[in-house]
Amino acid sequence: QVQLQESGPGLVKPSQTLSLTCSVSGGSISSGDFYWSWIRQPPGKGLEWIGYISYSGSTYYNPSLKSRLTISVDTSKNHFSLKLSSVTAADTAVYYCARAPEFYAFDIWGQGTMVTVSS
Amino acid sequence: DIQMTQSPSTLSASVGDRVTITCRASQSISRWLAWYQQKPGKAPKLLIYKASSLESGVPSRFSGSGSGTEFTLTISSLQPDDFATYYCQQYNSYTETFGQGTKVEIK
Repeated sequence: QVQLQESGPGLVKPSQTLSLTCSVSGGSISSGDFYWSWIRQPPGKGLEWIGYISYSGSTYYNPSLKSRLTISVDTSKNHFSLKLSSVTAADTAVYYCARAPEFYAFDIWGQGTMVTVSS
Repeated sequence: DIQMTQSPSTLSASVGDRVTITCRASQSISRWLAWYQQKPGKAPKLLIYKASSLESGVPSRFSGSGSGTEFTLTISSLQPDDFATYYCQQYNSYTETFGQGTKVEIK
């Protein structure tokens, strides 16, 4: 059974770049028609879709984050990554990675990792 | 962008109650709508996809309906494990959006 696990720094300074990795276990990241996704949730608030990378390598980003965002895949390490530049306190959130089969919803989620932006 | 609006924001109910949550899209999304349940400190869990299809392993007391811009999630008989926050999400376009959430509380 496929499982996802986020990893990365829990504290990032303002104006720096937030970098997270989602490791995929129990299956190959390059098999199947999947969209590998990032979603975040500020403390006490709702869910916000960040973006995803498709099985073909195409990326789709939330327009509000697009100018600061890069999502990539490393098939050799079976993981995908998020880089969000020029962070501010508004980027403080629990960051989830998730999988969505094509024409499907997010069916598998990581446990989430809290990232705080503070000096 | 497609905006998703859920109502109510909070719902107080008792065990055994029939509960309905509504989600409205700002433009037609056909049936590309999902419902999730989230408990404190946990990742969301997929309940319903394509508006009315029950995800494997989800109890049959959960059901979804609707198409176009109006959707509902119904819990036929609320159980203690169902007290949580519920989110709708559209995946009609390659810019996904979630509703703001509905918290189901114990009455």
